[in-house]
Amino acid sequence: GENVEQHPSTLSVQEGDSAVIKCTYSDSASNYFPWYKQELGKGPQLIIDIRSNVGEKKDQRIAVTLNKTAKHFSLHITETQPEDSAVYFCAARSQGNLIFGKGTKLSVKP
Amino acid sequence: SAVISQKPSRDICQRGTSLTIQCQVDSQVTMMFWYRQQPGQSLTLIATANQGSEATYESGFVIDKFPISRPNLTFSTLTVSNMSPEDSSIYLCSVGAGPYEQYFGPGTRLTVT
Repeated sequence: GENVEQHPSTLSVQEGDSAVIKCTYSDSASNYFPWYKQELGKGPQLIIDIRSNVGEKKDQRIAVTLNKTAKHFSLHITETQPEDSAVYFCAARSQGNLIFGKGTKLSVKP
Repeated sequence: SAVISQKPSRDICQRGTSLTIQCQVDSQVTMMFWYRQQPGQSLTLIATANQGSEATYESGFVIDKFPISRPNLTFSTLTVSNMSPEDSSIYLCSVGAGPYEQYFGPGTRLTVT
C-alpha cells in the first residue's frame, strides 16, 4: 500500500523567513496531495492541495509543488508569522483513502 | 467546505466503559470517516461510515470495538467499547467534499483511566 514519508519532523524558523516541508510517496497511482495544519487542541485544517495533473499551486504565502517522476511534493511557506506555528501533515490519496505523513512541528520565532 | 461538529469535545472515562462520539455536518455528504490520533502522532483511519450499510473497517480495527452508525447523510456516531488506557486518543470525524477534498472536525479528546 501507499507509504508517505515527511521531513523534517521539527522545523524552527525566524519570523519572516521561509519554511519548506517535504514529503515522498510510494504509490505512483496516487493522484491527490493535500496539506493540513493542526493547531494545538484543534482538528486538522485543509490549507492547500494539489492534484496529479498540476505541478505547482500557490495561495498567498503558501505554495505546493509536485514532482510526479520523483514522487515527492513540498509545502512552501514564505514570510512566516508566529501564527504559522503548528503541526503540518501531508497526505496522499491512494485507492480512495488519504495516507498521512507523520507530521512536522513548525515553530516560528518572533 | 463543510462545517463539522463533534460531541463531546473531551471526556475522561474509566476502563471497561464505553463512549459514543457524535459527528454532525452542516450539509449532506456521501463519505464520512473516523480517524484516531494518538498523542503526538499522525492520523490513522479507523473506518469509513457508509449511509445505509455497514461501515468499512481498516486493518487492525474491528466492529465489536468501534461500532459505527450512519443513520443519514449528515450524522454519524463512533462508539469506543470496553475502553482501556491504550484507547486514550483524539478521535476525529472527517467528511469528503467532492471527489478530492476532505475536511475534519475539531476532534474528541478521550482519556481512559
